Amino acid sequence: QKEVEQDPGPLSVPEGAIVSLNCTYSNSAFQYFMWYRQYSRKGPELLMYTYSSGNKEDGRFTAQVDKSSKYISLFIRDSQPSDSATYLCAMSRAGNNRKLIWGLGTSLAVNP
Amino acid sequence: EPEVTQTPSHQVTQMGQEVILRCVPISNHLYFYWYRQILGQKVEFLVSFYNNEISEKSEIFDDQFSVERPDGSNFTLKIRSTKLEDSAMYFCASSESTASLGYEQYFGPGTRLTVT
Repeated sequence: QKEVEQDPGPLSVPEGAIVSLNCTYSNSAFQYFMWYRQYSRKGPELLMYTYSSGNKEDGRFTAQVDKSSKYISLFIRDSQPSDSATYLCAMSRAGNNRKLIWGLGTSLAVNP
Repeated sequence: EPEVTQTPSHQVTQMGQEVILRCVPISNHLYFYWYRQILGQKVEFLVSFYNNEISEKSEIFDDQFSVERPDGSNFTLKIRSTKLEDSAMYFCASSESTASLGYEQYFGPGTRLTVT
C-alpha cells in the first residue's frame, strides 16, 4: 500500500465552482499535513498547513484533516482560472526527521 | 516576502560529470532540504540538514550525492558523477526550527538538471 495516494485527475471545473481535492494515507504517524500548488515546471508553493485533525480556513481555501479515516481534503471556493495548477498533498511525522511524503498531485483546470 | 532562491535554473551536463546545485534558504530558517521530481512522478525526498549535519537521507542519496553549507547563506547539493537517471527537477526547501512549529517547508523555484 502506498504511503500517500492522490487521484491525479485531471479535474476540469467551470469558473466559480467549488473544488474538492483529497488524499489518503496509510501511516498513522503523520501529524503535519500540507497542501502545495505547483505550476508547470515551477517549485511547490505552500497553500495550507494543518497540524493533526481539524479544519483550517484561509480565504477561499479550506483544509480538513480526518486522522481517524487517514483522509485529508482541500476545498477551493469560487474557483478562478488562475487556480489552474497541480495541487499536491504532503505530510510528515513529528520530531527531528521532517521529510515530506508526497502525493502524486491532482491537475486542476478552471475554465472561464 | 522572504523566499528560497536556487541557481542555476537549468543545468545541462554530460553523463559522468560533476554538478553543484546552489540554494539560498530563507535567512532565519535552520532546517534545509533537497527534493527531486522526475517528470510525471512524485516529489521525492533526498536529504535534510540541520545544525551543520545531515539529519536524514533517503535511499536515493547514495555516495554520489553530498550536501554542504559552505557559508552562512548557501546550501549546495553536489552530484559527483551524474547518470542519465539523475535528470529531474531539484528543489531546495527550508523551514524554521522550533519544537512544535516549523514543519512547513518553503520551496525554491527548482533547478532543472538534464544529463545527456
